[in-house]
Amino acid sequence: AAGVIQSPRHLIKEKRETATLKCYPIPRHDTVYWYQQGPGQDPQFLISFYEKMQSDKGSIPDRFSAQQFSDYHSELNMSSLELGDSALYFCASSLERANEQFFGPGTRLTVL
Amino acid sequence: AQSVSQHNHHVILSEAASLELGCNYSYGGTVNLFWYVQYPGQHLQLLLKYFSGDPLVKGIKGFEAEFIKSKFSFNLRKPSVQWSDTAEYFCAVTTSGTYKYIFGTGTRLKVLA
Repeated sequence: AAGVIQSPRHLIKEKRETATLKCYPIPRHDTVYWYQQGPGQDPQFLISFYEKMQSDKGSIPDRFSAQQFSDYHSELNMSSLELGDSALYFCASSLERANEQFFGPGTRLTVL
Repeated sequence: AQSVSQHNHHVILSEAASLELGCNYSYGGTVNLFWYVQYPGQHLQLLLKYFSGDPLVKGIKGFEAEFIKSKFSFNLRKPSVQWSDTAEYFCAVTTSGTYKYIFGTGTRLKVLA
């Protein structure tokens, strides 16, 4: 069965650079969620989209932005990267918002 | 603010031992409850979920969980663990009106062969 695809899987950036993370949901899933998991921490919700509209917002820094495109894939744009942004970024998708979320393998971002 | 607590951060068991991982949440309204497992180097996978109905939920790989509303708990159990159950386990909650997951801090389980 098709799963959530995230790219890239690993990303190394310097401080103050920008990064773009991509998420391709399971086919027919209309909702995408982004989570950030710092070292040794639980995943923290960043933002979600339902039918290409932002549906919920969590602890996402103003330096980050995201959107969901017409094909339902989503991109998380991160600017002015800081050391503290180093984390595993998970994307999840669901068929309608009320159902369980299916997670991608994550993108490991390292900021040097 | 809503929160989820997992009291056991690290658990070490021998094969065939019984497992119970605690999960408590702080929210007085309607909740949906989930347990996810993350095997080393892999993504989060759903073990089981509770939306409504029978509070005893059976999931994959022999896992089950019981929702006790009066205790705000959703503990995960397995009668006999295997070496392949070595992984990190996360409890997650969604509250009425929102669909974002609030995760617990996770429990690292190590099963000794």
